[in-house]
Amino acid sequence: GAVVSQHPSWVICKSGTSVKIECRSLDFQATTMFWYRQFPKQSLMLMATSNEGSKATYEQGVEKDKFLINHASLTLSTLTVTSAHPEDSSFYICSARDGELDSGNTIYFGEGSWLTVV
Amino acid sequence: GQNIDQPTEMTATEGAIVQINCTYQTSGFNGLFWYQQHAGEAPTFLSYNVLDGLEEKGRFSSFLSRSKGYSYLLLKELQMKDSASYLCAVKDSNYQLIWGAGTKLIIKP
Repeated sequence: GAVVSQHPSWVICKSGTSVKIECRSLDFQATTMFWYRQFPKQSLMLMATSNEGSKATYEQGVEKDKFLINHASLTLSTLTVTSAHPEDSSFYICSARDGELDSGNTIYFGEGSWLTVV
Repeated sequence: GQNIDQPTEMTATEGAIVQINCTYQTSGFNGLFWYQQHAGEAPTFLSYNVLDGLEEKGRFSSFLSRSKGYSYLLLKELQMKDSASYLCAVKDSNYQLIWGAGTKLIIKP
């Protein structure tokens, strides 16, 4: 099946610094990638939808200047958490849709990235 | 509003069968997904239903009734490694995934 790779798996950063998380589709072209965050024991929360070559669409309540998303190619999207604070500590997961907008395609997930801001 | 309901937690015995239900009310329907998520890991894809009926894939089966807004995931011959959260998600008319909160499945020996 399709593979989505996310890096890094674990990252610890100091408060006030920025950290970048990469999401790559390894064997398919992902015109659309999604970024989620998940707090312990809670459901996935969609942060933004990223379309290759255009600006990301952010969900209500998600600060676009704080969570910078870049989808520069069909196989790579990045999420940069800027000026990180301890409350940004969370599990961040990316996913990618295999193919164009269609009812039949599946969404594959990266391994997730644990961010701890100290 | 859009809503996905699934039980918060279920317990089953190793070797047995368990059915996890999911009901949904969404603006449009373009398919229903089941994902498995082990603690601390990203979800992995289990099944996809877009037409009514049962889809069987090894020990796991998924059923859909669009008229009832209902799906279930059936797990047979339960193994300890099946202990995980099972997430139901519906793709709405805008092709957005609407997520349920997940069902934590506990398998006992």
